[in-house]
Amino acid sequence: SQQGEEDPQALSIQEGENATMNCSYKTSINNLQWYRQNSGRGLVHLILIRSNEREKHSGRLRVTLDTSKKSSSLLITASRAADTASYFCAPWTEYGNKLVFGAGTILRVKS
Amino acid sequence: DGGITQSPKYLFRKEGQNVTLSCEQNLNHDAMYWYRQDPGQGLRLIYYSQIVNDFQKGDIAEGYSVSREKKESFPLTVTSAQKNPTAFYLCATRGRYNQPQHFGDGTRLSIL
Repeated sequence: SQQGEEDPQALSIQEGENATMNCSYKTSINNLQWYRQNSGRGLVHLILIRSNEREKHSGRLRVTLDTSKKSSSLLITASRAADTASYFCAPWTEYGNKLVFGAGTILRVKS
Repeated sequence: DGGITQSPKYLFRKEGQNVTLSCEQNLNHDAMYWYRQDPGQGLRLIYYSQIVNDFQKGDIAEGYSVSREKKESFPLTVTSAQKNPTAFYLCATRGRYNQPQHFGDGTRLSIL
């Protein structure tokens, strides 16, 4: 399965701290996508990183990808209470036409 | 306003009843997806469609049915054969191949 598996399952930090979430997957990928889900809402796309990229930034978000280790990480810097949400990684395989989501990391940012 | 509209937001099903969840999009996307999310879990793929009049089963298609008669619409029917339908259902679309998916705000289905 190309399912992304996030680690840790839950993370609780103080506002202003950095939050790091990790993702591992099992097969070769074309790209890997990160999504955020606020409670009771749909998922929102955050960043897409292609297999030939090693790092990508978007505002306070930084994503890294190590295809040799089949892993990715999402760093949120200077976290805010509004960052409280579940975060999912989803690999997209070379021959697939669907994403497969893991159980996600629940991030709680305390103010 | 562009996007994906799922309705209703909340839905209740009686024993032995089929219910249909609506998903409409005005993004002009070819691909559409239905996911099921149970509490504290990730998304599981039910059905997906890459083009009008064509769709494929996902990982948990049993007890569900879909149709794709129009590009804009991809309704999901939860049949009485689905014995544990209580969940949060999410519809998503995708434009070009391997691009990000866009999600609706979901329908929460419960059993009466």
